[in-house]
Amino acid sequence: VQLQESGPGLVKPSQTLSLTCAVSGGSINSGGYYWSWIRQNPRKGLEWIGYIHYTGSAYYNPSLQSRITISLDASKRNFSLSLTSVTAADTAMYYCAREREFPIAVGGTRAFDIWGQGAMVTVSS
Amino acid sequence: DIQMTQSPLSVSASVGDRVTITCRASQGTRGWLAWYQQKPGKAPQLIISYTSNLQDGVSSRFSGSGSGTDFTLTISSLQPEDSATYYCQQANTFPLTFGGGTKVEIK
Repeated sequence: VQLQESGPGLVKPSQTLSLTCAVSGGSINSGGYYWSWIRQNPRKGLEWIGYIHYTGSAYYNPSLQSRITISLDASKRNFSLSLTSVTAADTAMYYCAREREFPIAVGGTRAFDIWGQGAMVTVSS
Repeated sequence: DIQMTQSPLSVSASVGDRVTITCRASQGTRGWLAWYQQKPGKAPQLIISYTSNLQDGVSSRFSGSGSGTDFTLTISSLQPEDSATYYCQQANTFPLTFGGGTKVEIK
């Protein structure tokens, strides 16, 4: 499975950041996977944004919840991030990632086992 | 939120040295603790899940241990290709959180 982010690299303050992650080499309709967005910048390090499951259930970081929507299009095999009312603090490298739910035999835990290469987004006028 | 604190911030060691990185969680994580390796310009790569489960294809030089709130990543014999920043991440409680990272350099 491979993930590839796409979207504008420059967004103006107060506008909406939109990114899409294309999933190739595997199914997006699998029960044990959660399709996630994570961002990284020098100020806050790695920050989990949220995930969506193929069933449509989603969970967001409460610190960003009021501004985030994550959606999934199984027919196009992609999922997307929308972040509204951006400021300079939202400047970051944005990664899409697959969070895998491991079998109970190996802990039943979850971890991000596949990542996209990242998309740098700068918020500036 | 569960705060993840890593130490040291950076370490410089020689090839063949044993390197230990620690990660402390502000609350218990049930062992749902993962470690990632990130090289410059690249995305993080999962190396260990559930405290100590080494991912397929990852060198057995890497090992993880710990429980409760205190966890350790050990590189048994440092190699040049291990130069990277390492992050811990708790998967027990939302929001998921990462440590601040430990940069490993070769002397």
